[in-house]
Amino acid sequence: ETGVTQTPRHLVMGMTNKKSLKCEQHLGHNAMYWYKQSAKKPLELMFVYSLEERVENNSVPSRFSPECPNSSHLFLHLHTLQPEDSALYLCASSRNRVSYEQYFGPGTRLTVT
Amino acid sequence: AQKITQTQPGMFVQEKEAVTLDCTYDTSDQSYGLFWYKQPSSGEMIFLIYQGSYDEQNATEGRYSLNFQKARKSANLVISASQLGDSAMYFCAMREGHSNDYKLSFGAGTTVTVRA
Repeated sequence: ETGVTQTPRHLVMGMTNKKSLKCEQHLGHNAMYWYKQSAKKPLELMFVYSLEERVENNSVPSRFSPECPNSSHLFLHLHTLQPEDSALYLCASSRNRVSYEQYFGPGTRLTVT
Repeated sequence: AQKITQTQPGMFVQEKEAVTLDCTYDTSDQSYGLFWYKQPSSGEMIFLIYQGSYDEQNATEGRYSLNFQKARKSANLVISASQLGDSAMYFCAMREGHSNDYKLSFGAGTTVTVRA
């Protein structure tokens, strides 16, 4: 059983909708990450949180809004998305921000119509 | 510039045979780490193996080994005795030893299909 869970696994939303992706890690880690995986493109880092503080925002549009209420939970709030935002969104965690091993969740497959 | 290059978009391998997945990287740092991840159709990324730039021995983890050639900046993954469950996408990644030390740069991936 994976130590990082993500819900929902699949999401279809219209461009005017507001939805949230949830990530939870059960590993006692202090750093969490959001990645975007589009077809035929390398994995892109979106956000990094370390001890609940955002330490990286990789030039992500403001229609993506992360939230980290505690070290075990990470959210990605979505609003007024575009069809090109359709992708697999992966959450990961690591012991701390310098740990070399990141543990990934199963991802949320997002389709924007 | 692309930091990680995986030139093989897809590969077929016969069950029980070995397969080598290519990965070359680009960095000016002396300290860096190289990773391989497996992504089955279920979507999650599974960590396989890690090689530090100062490690003298090639990393091995069970059936996975990393052929690290520092001068050529290559970090190929070798999967021995392939199994049907090895069919997946494989990603090479690098973490460079500067201040953004939590950032992993990923390659485009190689799809491996194991045939019975």
